[in-house]
Amino acid sequence: DQQVKQNSPSLSVQEGRISILNCDYTNSMFDYFLWYKKYPAEGPTFLISISSIKDKNEDGRFTVFLNKSAKHLSLHIVPSQPGDSAVYFCAAIAGGGADGLTFGKGTHLIIQP
Amino acid sequence: EADIYQTPRYLVIGTGKKITLECSQTMGHDKMYWYQQDPGMELHLIHYSYGVNSTEKGDLSSESTVSRIRTEHFPLTLESARPSHTSQYLCASSGPGSGGYTFGSGTRLTVV
Repeated sequence: DQQVKQNSPSLSVQEGRISILNCDYTNSMFDYFLWYKKYPAEGPTFLISISSIKDKNEDGRFTVFLNKSAKHLSLHIVPSQPGDSAVYFCAAIAGGGADGLTFGKGTHLIIQP
Repeated sequence: EADIYQTPRYLVIGTGKKITLECSQTMGHDKMYWYQQDPGMELHLIHYSYGVNSTEKGDLSSESTVSRIRTEHFPLTLESARPSHTSQYLCASSGPGSGGYTFGSGTRLTVV
């Protein structure tokens, strides 16, 4: 049973517009959420994170929103740039994360010129 | 500058061979992890370690084994490779507190 779900396998957005990537989770013990960006044949690189005590975290063009009651988070990228084309993984941690991250299947973001 | 190193980046090997995937980190992190990822799928945790001489199996059952004799080194071994082991293997480490995970570049393994 998937605990972290990314229901959109791919998303195409025009350059300069806003990209919104969504993530849902089922485990109420998750207390920290992360977004990773991954290029083919590379390891994931950390993008942005949010603690469950917050509902928003912003870093430059990237903003993550958390809706705990809906068990939903989203990553907003604005404005979208060609270099943003990659696979984005949502990940979650419970209780300090010593036992590793739980990942979603990823969303392939394609930025159209 | 990479703080976590995986070798080899790519490996094509015949069925039945023994292989070891190397992972080293220079950050002094106690916790290290191995993830397996098939194309279009999520990363699955197959092994993790809290520190030297500590190894645990992850959520996804794997025929591979790991060892943690030194803090900085967390190699993964397959005694007898099979085509079903074809996948990307990603090593990661983490420091104190939540988050702070750093991934290596991965090893793309193909067993023919």
